Amino acid sequence: DTGVSQDPRHKITKRGQNVTFRCDPISEHNRLYWYRQTLGQGPEFLTYFQNEAQLEKSRLLSDRFSAERPKGSFSTLEIQRTEQGDSAMYLCASSSTGSGNTIYFGEGSWLTVV
Amino acid sequence: AQKITQTQPGMFVQEKEAVTLDCTYDTSDQSYGLFWYKQPSSGEMIFLIYQGSYDEQNATEGRYSLNFQKARKSANLVISASQLGDSAMYFCAMREGLSGNNRLAFGKGNQVVVIP
Repeated sequence: DTGVSQDPRHKITKRGQNVTFRCDPISEHNRLYWYRQTLGQGPEFLTYFQNEAQLEKSRLLSDRFSAERPKGSFSTLEIQRTEQGDSAMYLCASSSTGSGNTIYFGEGSWLTVV
Repeated sequence: AQKITQTQPGMFVQEKEAVTLDCTYDTSDQSYGLFWYKQPSSGEMIFLIYQGSYDEQNATEGRYSLNFQKARKSANLVISASQLGDSAMYFCAMREGLSGNNRLAFGKGNQVVVIP
């Protein structure tokens, strides 16, 4: 399968711990996105990469959050000093360049902070 | 301000019947794109259909069609011949502006349950 893959699918962590999620986009896609989804809501944009450059960050991305895409391929999203309010599903997506190009999502990484 | 509005309550649909999911949007841009995604309980967001603001024809993809009414700013999804596997949350999303903007704004979703 060559879709967007995310790891881990589920993570339970204690408040104050750091967590890291990984995303592998569709191989020919140069754009990569992170979204967050809480229960009963649609996904909310967090950040966007074109190749290795992080071009846009939402106000939702506090200083405890950092995302990287070092070689323009896979990406990591790290949350430091987790809080209960960080409990959500973190979705990664990718697309190729072009206004009409579809954005494909992965299966998401569920985070529960206890 | 909410850019995408999906206000229908959860819907029960008889298998093999058609169902229409409402979506209205708000933008001042002339160039934008509208998407529908399906999210089953597993969590994955599955792309269904795309409509560009300049597309004159309504988009269709298999059993999915998009009823695009630009003047009314609505982009309703029609699922024909519902199947049990169609039970899921359905999200409408919009990408505004030129190709450099890839931020999607999502609605809150519509819950669909298909019953045999």
